[in-house]
Amino acid sequence: QVQLQQSGPGLVKPSQTLSLTCAISGDSVSSTSAAWTWIRQSPSRGLEWLGRTYYRSRWYNDYAVSVKSRLTITPDTSKNQFSLHLNSVTAEDTAVYYCVRVSGYNWFDPWGQGTLVTVSS
Amino acid sequence: DIQLTQSPSSLSASIGDRVSITCRASQSISAYVNWYQQKAGKAPQLLIYAAYTLQSGVPSRFSGSGAGTDFTLTISSLQPEDFATYYCQQSHSTPLTFGGGTKVEI
Repeated sequence: QVQLQQSGPGLVKPSQTLSLTCAISGDSVSSTSAAWTWIRQSPSRGLEWLGRTYYRSRWYNDYAVSVKSRLTITPDTSKNQFSLHLNSVTAEDTAVYYCVRVSGYNWFDPWGQGTLVTVSS
Repeated sequence: DIQLTQSPSSLSASIGDRVSITCRASQSISAYVNWYQQKAGKAPQLLIYAAYTLQSGVPSRFSGSGAGTDFTLTISSLQPEDFATYYCQQSHSTPLTFGGGTKVEI
């Protein structure tokens, strides 16, 4: 059974970098049949897909246009985890952030427990 | 980007009712639609993928249908644990997008 465990701070100051980590159990970040993604949820923006990383002979990344210039998603094969780094945050980035496995043809399962991140000074 | 419009945005129903939620895509997405259930304070959970395939462990009272631009999630007999918010998601192309949600209330 695949499980995802998120960690990271719940409060980030404006203009700083938001960093979250997702530890994977029951699967491998290097799996050639899955991808690993971050999704956020806020009342104003709903559920918003941010980007993904996946391995198919080499590593690939896709990012949503809305965050592409500020977002990096990185795998860590030694720890079997992946991370989100979103820089230059503003109050608009306040949301619950989820790490999720992408299975099959791009459906999301399972989800991490979620981390409420507030951007405030 | 592919836009997904869910209707209604909320509905009131009773135990045992048959409930249907629709999801309309801004362009044809074949059968690349997935449905999720989210309860308050929890992460969404996959119910149905590829328009009509039930995820393992999901009760058979849930069903999905549709193709092209119009999709439906149906709960055949609403149970107390089904009161939640439901989302559709398109997996046809990036950016992967979600509908706005339908809250099912008593």
